[in-house]
Amino acid sequence: SQQGEEDPQALSIQEGENATMNCSYKTSINNLQWYRQNSGRGLVHLILIRSNEREKHSGRLRVTLDTSKKSSSLLITASRAADTASYFCATDSGAGSYQLTFGKGTKLSVIP
Amino acid sequence: ETGVTQTPRHLVMGMTNKKSLKCEQHLGHNAMYWYKQSAKKPLELMFVYNFKEQTENNSVPSRFSPECPNSSHLFLHLHTLQPEDSALYLCASSLYSGENTIYFGEGSWLTVV
Repeated sequence: SQQGEEDPQALSIQEGENATMNCSYKTSINNLQWYRQNSGRGLVHLILIRSNEREKHSGRLRVTLDTSKKSSSLLITASRAADTASYFCATDSGAGSYQLTFGKGTKLSVIP
Repeated sequence: ETGVTQTPRHLVMGMTNKKSLKCEQHLGHNAMYWYKQSAKKPLELMFVYNFKEQTENNSVPSRFSPECPNSSHLFLHLHTLQPEDSALYLCASSLYSGENTIYFGEGSWLTVV
């Protein structure tokens, strides 16, 4: 069953702008991860945030986690054309299983 | 280069053919996965192997048959497929642990004609 769900489904911005994508999930988790997929390629892990963390940074990426609202956001600052890709959140079930469930993704287009 | 290599990258097969997808990981991981990605659908987990033992089979039709001879190699044997099985098949691996970061291959594009 689908655990994470990204919003919006598609996002188009100008180069240099910030891009924000959201993820909502249904059950408690141990951690939440964000992945990126360039068109027709495999997914690449971007960042992991633990359930006891509220915010995490990695380069131009900022991830927040609100376990009370069961939601997370991924912010990409100063976007570049090379950031054009689909972004997925992935969550575990939090019930002793390390299995990840992926959402449908947000397709980000950064226009030069 | 992600450390997970899939072959072939593209495959076209008829509905009566038998073919196999191959995956190899060079990361020392103990878990390997097959995912299916179709247009406009979430990534679907098909099979999970942990230390060569199948630990998950998400109601995948028997026309898909996985094989994991060791922790580094994973195969997906295909036979009597349907056109709706056309998709991107992604192999992945991980250290199956509390922070289960998954490393994906580049995928095998399968077209069933």
